[in-house]
Amino acid sequence: EAGVVQSPRYKIIEKKQPVAFWCNPISGHNTLYWYLQNLGQGPELLIRYENEEAVDDSQLPKDRFSAERLKGVDSTLKIQPAELGDSAVYLCASSLTGREQFFGPGTRLTVL
Amino acid sequence: QQQVKQSPQSLIVQKGGISIINCAYENTAFDYFPWYQQFPGKGPALLIAIRPDVSEKKEGRFTISFNKSAKQFSLHIMDSQPGDSATYFCAASQGAQKLVFGQGTRLTINP
Repeated sequence: EAGVVQSPRYKIIEKKQPVAFWCNPISGHNTLYWYLQNLGQGPELLIRYENEEAVDDSQLPKDRFSAERLKGVDSTLKIQPAELGDSAVYLCASSLTGREQFFGPGTRLTVL
Repeated sequence: QQQVKQSPQSLIVQKGGISIINCAYENTAFDYFPWYQQFPGKGPALLIAIRPDVSEKKEGRFTISFNKSAKQFSLHIMDSQPGDSATYFCAASQGAQKLVFGQGTRLTINP
């Protein structure tokens, strides 16, 4: 069974530029999560989807961050415009049961 | 009340020894407690998990001990090996909601 796929793995951009991250969850997993992981810290939730519906986006900075999950499968997380403080690893996770969450390798973003 | 506190921040253990990492939580509504292992450049990988109706769960060399009254749980790694060197995160969740992670423990196993 293939795991959670994320791309790109690495992204370097100038501040104020837009950036997008893509996630393909494990087949059949209805719940999809985007987490932010700062260096040396545990992941923190940005948004949770149940199928196409964003059911928890309370931690998503909506002035610059947006996300979508069309057709309840793949998801895209966008930042526009990026700031220096957005440099971090963006992790996607999926779950079938709502308990066990399986993470992808993450996208390491560097904002210069 | 959403915090999960993890200790120690870093841990050095000799090969063959027992590694012990501790976590404490406050939210009594949490009902699922997993441990994740993360290697540099990789995403967290689910290692082992426990529900609050069980006091201990063992999978191979990894054991979770759970103390509901103290709101604490711990990970024990028996016969620690150099390949176990990684960062370990405890976490907690309520239902299908977000995982709340601890701060992480960097474990080093000396050969």
